[in-house]
Amino acid sequence: EAGVVQSPRYKIIEKKQPVAFWCNPISGHNTLYWYLQNLGQGPELLIRYENEEAVDDSQLPKDRFSAERLKGVDSTLKIQPAELGDSAVYLCASNAGGTGELFFGEGSRLTVL
Amino acid sequence: AQTVTQSQPEMSVQEAETVTLSCTYDTSESDYYLFWYKQPPSRQMILVIRQEAYKQQNATENRFSVNFQKAAKSFSLKISDSQLGDAAMYFCAYSRNQGGKLIFGQGTELSVKP
Repeated sequence: EAGVVQSPRYKIIEKKQPVAFWCNPISGHNTLYWYLQNLGQGPELLIRYENEEAVDDSQLPKDRFSAERLKGVDSTLKIQPAELGDSAVYLCASNAGGTGELFFGEGSRLTVL
Repeated sequence: AQTVTQSQPEMSVQEAETVTLSCTYDTSESDYYLFWYKQPPSRQMILVIRQEAYKQQNATENRFSVNFQKAAKSFSLKISDSQLGDAAMYFCAYSRNQGGKLIFGQGTELSVKP
């Protein structure tokens, strides 16, 4: 069974440029999460989807961040424009319910210059 | 608001020895879930062990076990017979319900000396 797939793994951009990250969760997992992980810290939730509905986006900086999960499967997280402080790892995870275990992708590491 | 605290930024253990990582949390809920996740360098985070708050028995998974003290809101991870592959960042996490968001601690970086 394929795990959570994220792309790109690494991205370097100039500040004020846009960037997008893509995530494909494990097949059949209805819940999808985007987490932000700063260097040396624990992940923090940005947004959680139940199918195509964003059920928790209270921590998403909506002035520059947006996300979508149009068909309730894969998801895209966008930043426009990027700022220096956005340099971090963006983690995607999915969950099928049941045990509550989250399955994580390898993350997308963003560097903003 | 729920919080998770890991007071040990770094820990070190000799191969084959035992190490305990500490975690405390704060919640007003009576039912919840606690997790330990492992994040190797540049690799994906994986679940090590989970504990349901309503279960009094401490969870165990092979060399990994927890000491869950509900009244003290403490949830420590014990790794027995440490192996070189155990070297990683370990995160303690809390969830109010299945499928809900995980709240993570700051992490403990574990190194294993040969």
